[in-house]
Amino acid sequence: QVQLQESGPGLVKPSQTLPLTCTVSGDSISSGLYYWAWIRQHPGKGLEWIGFMSHSGLTYYDPSLKSRILVSVDSSKNQVSLSLTSVTAADTAVYYCARASGYSHGRVYFDLWGRGTLVTVSS
Amino acid sequence: DIQMTQSPSSLSASVGDRVIITCRASQGLSNSLAWYQQKPGRAPKLLVSGASRLESGVPSRFTGSGSGTDYSLTISALLPEDFAIYYCQQYFAVPVTFGGGTKIEIK
Repeated sequence: QVQLQESGPGLVKPSQTLPLTCTVSGDSISSGLYYWAWIRQHPGKGLEWIGFMSHSGLTYYDPSLKSRILVSVDSSKNQVSLSLTSVTAADTAVYYCARASGYSHGRVYFDLWGRGTLVTVSS
Repeated sequence: DIQMTQSPSSLSASVGDRVIITCRASQGLSNSLAWYQQKPGRAPKLLVSGASRLESGVPSRFTGSGSGTDYSLTISALLPEDFAIYYCQQYFAVPVTFGGGTKIEIK
């Protein structure tokens, strides 16, 4: 049974960098079958795709966040990481890690999700 | 970016009711459309991909349909566990985008 588990600081100060990690169990990130994605949900709001990465290193980022995001994969640890720089209160959200399937060039849907982790940006 | 408009944004229904949620895209999707269910405090769950392909384990009372720019998710007879928020998502083009959600509440 494949599971995804997000981890990271629950509280980040404005202007700092938010680091999140997603640990995948029951499947290998290196299998090459999937993309690995981050999606967030502001409190009481809808879903917002942030970015994703293939095992081979291809990355796709939401254009509005592209200048602040880095998604990376550590195959040795079977982890996917997200780094979001210069955070503000507008980045307060639940952040989900997800496995993505579909077509090439990032045209994917999300078939398996982690439970999510709440990140609050506040001084 | 492709805009996804879901309707209604919320609805009240009773157990046993037939419910239809619609999703309209700002351009044709060639059936690259997924539906998710999200319950309070939980992660979204994939119900349908490819506009009409039911995921393994999803009850047959859920049906996805549509083509071009217009898609729908039908629940043939609501059960108590179906009261949740439903989202559509297009994956025809990057950036992939979600609809605003439809909340199904108990009447």
